[in-house]
Amino acid sequence: DAKTTQPPSMDCAEGRAANLPCNHSTISGNEYVYWYRQIHSQGPQYIIHGLKNNETNEMASLIITEDRKSSTLILPHATLRDTAVYYCIVRVGGNNRLAFGKGNQVVVIP
Amino acid sequence: DAGITQSPRHKVTETGTPVTLRCHQTENHRYMYWYRQDPGHGLRLIHYSYGVKDTDKGEVSDGYSVSRSKTEDFLLTLESATSSQTSVYFCAISEGDRANYGYTFGSGTRLTVV
Repeated sequence: DAKTTQPPSMDCAEGRAANLPCNHSTISGNEYVYWYRQIHSQGPQYIIHGLKNNETNEMASLIITEDRKSSTLILPHATLRDTAVYYCIVRVGGNNRLAFGKGNQVVVIP
Repeated sequence: DAGITQSPRHKVTETGTPVTLRCHQTENHRYMYWYRQDPGHGLRLIHYSYGVKDTDKGEVSDGYSVSRSKTEDFLLTLESATSSQTSVYFCAISEGDRANYGYTFGSGTRLTVV
């Protein structure tokens, strides 16, 4: 699997959009970009995933650059409950299991 | 998470005793996984299963064994618990191993070996 690079931590303001960056410059053509988050002491929670196109669901939007070397997770209106560690993971299927890095500790500030 | 439960939620055990953690799913998913999470290491895969009686090792499998006799249950056993196995254990399930299948995680089991 390609590796990802995320900032170790960031703050964002409650009610504003939170833009979480991720670099995956060595991603290959068949690798998906996944985002998970882990709220303190809980199991990781799936947020969104994509291959090439931008994706949106009820939780977030995923913007993938045209060259697929980076992506941004957007939480449209951050709330205090969005404080969590966010993991950006790239994954190809088959024998490659979901591998978690250190993630980005996001703190939403009132 | 709905559809996946782990038991027990908390356990304290003594060094050298056997311990079994259970993961139960109601989603009929083929794949099941056991991870452990420790400060400074993130989540690491212990073992996984791709069907009844079909299991394989992950990156940190030493000291652990697993069994899957039914689709819905995946058991993780520490044959002789050690203090280094004090951790939070998470189970996950997935419909398949294609790249567009995500994982759903349980709420975790906090194991303390004293």
